[in-house]
Amino acid sequence: DTGVSQDPRHKITKRGQNVTFRCDPISEHNRLYWYRQTLGQGPEFLTYFQNEAQLEKSRLLSDRFSAERPKGSFSTLEIQRTEQGDSAMYLCASSSRQLNTEAFFGQGTRLTVV
Amino acid sequence: DQQVKQNSPSLSVQEGRISILNCDYTNSMFDYFLWYKKYPAEGPTFLISISSIKDKNEDGRFTVFLNKSAKHLSLHIVPSQPGDSAVYFCAASRWGGAQKLVFGQGTRLTINP
Repeated sequence: DTGVSQDPRHKITKRGQNVTFRCDPISEHNRLYWYRQTLGQGPEFLTYFQNEAQLEKSRLLSDRFSAERPKGSFSTLEIQRTEQGDSAMYLCASSSRQLNTEAFFGQGTRLTVV
Repeated sequence: DQQVKQNSPSLSVQEGRISILNCDYTNSMFDYFLWYKKYPAEGPTFLISISSIKDKNEDGRFTVFLNKSAKHLSLHIVPSQPGDSAVYFCAASRWGGAQKLVFGQGTRLTINP
């Protein structure tokens, strides 16, 4: 297992377009998290899954954002009708419910909305 | 509101000396704290953590201290090495583990030869 994998690494899109990002967590981890990081700030929590259930969504997550984790494996984060303010690094992390001492992060997807 | 604050955006330390990174928090419900290191174009990498039932945790060159009464934690790196140059984030959770983390803004540490 090579860790948390995110795809794509970079995405440039025009304002108003929809984008989808994928995250493959560490295989035995049943918890998966999405964070967003903007320049000069730390990551901000967006949402989290335990297995396939989405247990919490941050107030930061507007109605244009949706996340899924079918079958409790990989996860997708979709942003509809992108806005320039959506430009950020989107980070995925996973952890084990049994050993929840750290969350392992992927390399992130950098989104630029032009 | 910024519940976790790292008030020093940057820190420069000579190689071989001690690096001390500081972090303050406001939410007394936080019970688990972590430090992450981040290189450019990579995701954060876990360094060390501490539960609120402890006041110190050590792992090799890294030691984290927690002062609950002051709502303050610090990361000590000794001796500092050039490879330690990175952005360091402290993070906190109120759920006893590494979930729904609240991060500080980060401190850029530069180790000078």
